[in-house]
Amino acid sequence: AQSVAQPEDQVNVAEGNPLTVKCTYSVSGNPYLFWYVQYPNRGLQFLLKYITGDNLVKGSYGFEAEFNKSQTSFHLKKPSALVSDSALYFCAVRDHLTGGGNKLTFGTGTQLKVEL
Amino acid sequence: SAVISQKPSRDICQRGTSLTIQCQVDSQVTMMFWYRQQPGQSLTLIATANQGSEATYESGFVIDKFPISRPNLTFSTLTVSNMSPEDSSIYLCSVGTGSPTGELFFGEGSRLTVL
Repeated sequence: AQSVAQPEDQVNVAEGNPLTVKCTYSVSGNPYLFWYVQYPNRGLQFLLKYITGDNLVKGSYGFEAEFNKSQTSFHLKKPSALVSDSALYFCAVRDHLTGGGNKLTFGTGTQLKVEL
Repeated sequence: SAVISQKPSRDICQRGTSLTIQCQVDSQVTMMFWYRQQPGQSLTLIATANQGSEATYESGFVIDKFPISRPNLTFSTLTVSNMSPEDSSIYLCSVGTGSPTGELFFGEGSRLTVL
């Protein structure tokens, strides 16, 4: 079975400061990992993914994420937060071995609030 | 990426009624999924919509409550039957290529409120 944990319901950060949104995962095989963002009253938008290779992946809007196999983590980061980054962020996983039936399993989401 | 249109975007429904949500994609896609996002909660997969055959439902979801159609590779419907207030949620259509490394793309969602 595949699962994802996002330990923080909410993260608050000042504009201009670096931000981190945490995610840990559990799969039987190797993971395929994804980050999505959801703005109010909108669907989910894809930010970035890790499949294989370089542990640091870069995505949309200046976001990046670091894959750490030993810690089974895939934390989302941004060097300098913007107020417009305030949104709900979801981490998701698919198991390489089974393909997860191609479906994604999502974490519970982390509300990011960036303040002036 | 595919452009996914969902109708209705929101609706207020009476208890005991049924509502059908439509999902239209601007290109042929291999995989189509229906997710539910209850207020303040994460996304839960309801089912995989299979073209030309019965949908594949996840544990806890049944065809009688959530009948799904997928007549072709660009269109699917989800019906929420005999609704109760507990069905108040955002229902999201999602599409993918079928590749295990591929991301899913989502529609804007259909926000249902059941009174």
